[in-house]
Amino acid sequence: EVQLVESGGGLVQPGGSLRLSCVASGFTFSSYAMHWVRQAPGKGLEFVSAISSKGGSTYYANSVKGRFTISRDNSKNTLYLQMGSLRAEDMAVYYCASGTTGTTEGGYFDYWGQGTLVTVSS
Amino acid sequence: SYVLTQPPSVSVAPGQTARITCGGNNIGSKSVHWYQQKPGQAPVLVVYDDSDRPSGIPERFSGSNSGNTATLTISRVEAGDEADYYCQVWDSSSDQWAFGGGTKLTVL
Repeated sequence: EVQLVESGGGLVQPGGSLRLSCVASGFTFSSYAMHWVRQAPGKGLEFVSAISSKGGSTYYANSVKGRFTISRDNSKNTLYLQMGSLRAEDMAVYYCASGTTGTTEGGYFDYWGQGTLVTVSS
Repeated sequence: SYVLTQPPSVSVAPGQTARITCGGNNIGSKSVHWYQQKPGQAPVLVVYDDSDRPSGIPERFSGSNSGNTATLTISRVEAGDEADYYCQVWDSSSDQWAFGGGTKLTVL
């Protein structure tokens, strides 16, 4: 059974930093691209970032480019999102999701974690 | 960036057919994927590549895509289908995934 378990969310002040983690199991993690998608309270889904299976290719939404960094450790089956210079508009539930190929382009998200809540407030 | 437009809400009686549209410029040239999200839960893939269903998704869920509109069709709607539905595409011109704004399906 595929499982994606996010952690690391919490309360952070504006301008602060936070690192999210997503531990994967039940599939060959190192073979697939991985993604972060967020959902602000009462709002829709927003793509945040993606990373290829080997980590050599990354994509970011314009809204987070330069502030967030995606990475992965295939030896630990773990995906990360380092978030910096956090703003009120970054407050959301952050989901990790698995891709269907090793590349960051195209495809769809076949499995999702339950999400971790990031609250940005002073 | 590529814009996907969905109606905010669709209502249908049990047993009837619900159609949820997703509009985008020449969306028929792209592969469209659909997700179902129930309150407090993570999204679940219900249709991929315009019209394919993942294992475990009922045949009542189907999709089509042509011109400037993609459509998710849910036949014989049940109370358990009540959820938010999102369409998604890969936009190669901006190297990003685009999501529609979501449609809340209400079963009357």
